[in-house]
Amino acid sequence: EIVLTQSPGTLSLSPGERATLSCRASQSVHSRYLAWYQQKPGQAPRLLIYTASSRATGIPDRFSGSGSGTDFTLTINRLEPEDFAVYYCQQYGGSPRTFGQGTKVEIK
Amino acid sequence: EVQLVASGGGLVKPGGSLRLSCAASGFTYSSYSMNWVRQAPGKGLEWVSSVSSGSSWIYIADSVKGRFTISRDNAKNSLYLQMNSLTAEDTAVYYCVRDSPIADCFDSWGQGILVTVSS
Repeated sequence: EIVLTQSPGTLSLSPGERATLSCRASQSVHSRYLAWYQQKPGQAPRLLIYTASSRATGIPDRFSGSGSGTDFTLTINRLEPEDFAVYYCQQYGGSPRTFGQGTKVEIK
Repeated sequence: EVQLVASGGGLVKPGGSLRLSCAASGFTYSSYSMNWVRQAPGKGLEWVSSVSSGSSWIYIADSVKGRFTISRDNAKNSLYLQMNSLTAEDTAVYYCVRDSPIADCFDSWGQGILVTVSS
């Protein structure tokens, strides 16, 4: 099983700043099969990024993903008030599909 | 618009059983693999089980193997999760989730249904 470790646990930033979230895998993720999700309180997660760097339908271009192998990054440029949430990475290159423990982006 | 509406959750005693259902609409349900993903209170996400579009393959997490069974009825646009021998560790919000058609990630999520296992 591929274990995903996200850092930091919490990121305290102000609107307009850039957020950089990390996701590290315990082994190489096949074909960059890594996704990112956003979850707001009381809501279901929403797919943001798939295959490490492809934005899902309707996702603003301030969200971008990068990385390969074992190290992946989600970058949110110019944080908007609605971007403060918890973000999860997930790998689907190996079985079972696994999630990271999440990074909370909170307002400073 | 894709809609995934789960039902059947609630309070159950340890050792009990529950069957979750998910009604799908807004897309060609029979063409998509489907999943259950859960989230314990205040915790992260855990994949539980998957079924292919025609039920030819089924995967289930080790944590629930032998106790949970996933199934689907394409004629009724419905997904199910039969949960037996429930324990407190199964307490969670259960999400009905659709696989992306272009990647094995989860592109549409239902609103979630709470299952509480407690005496």
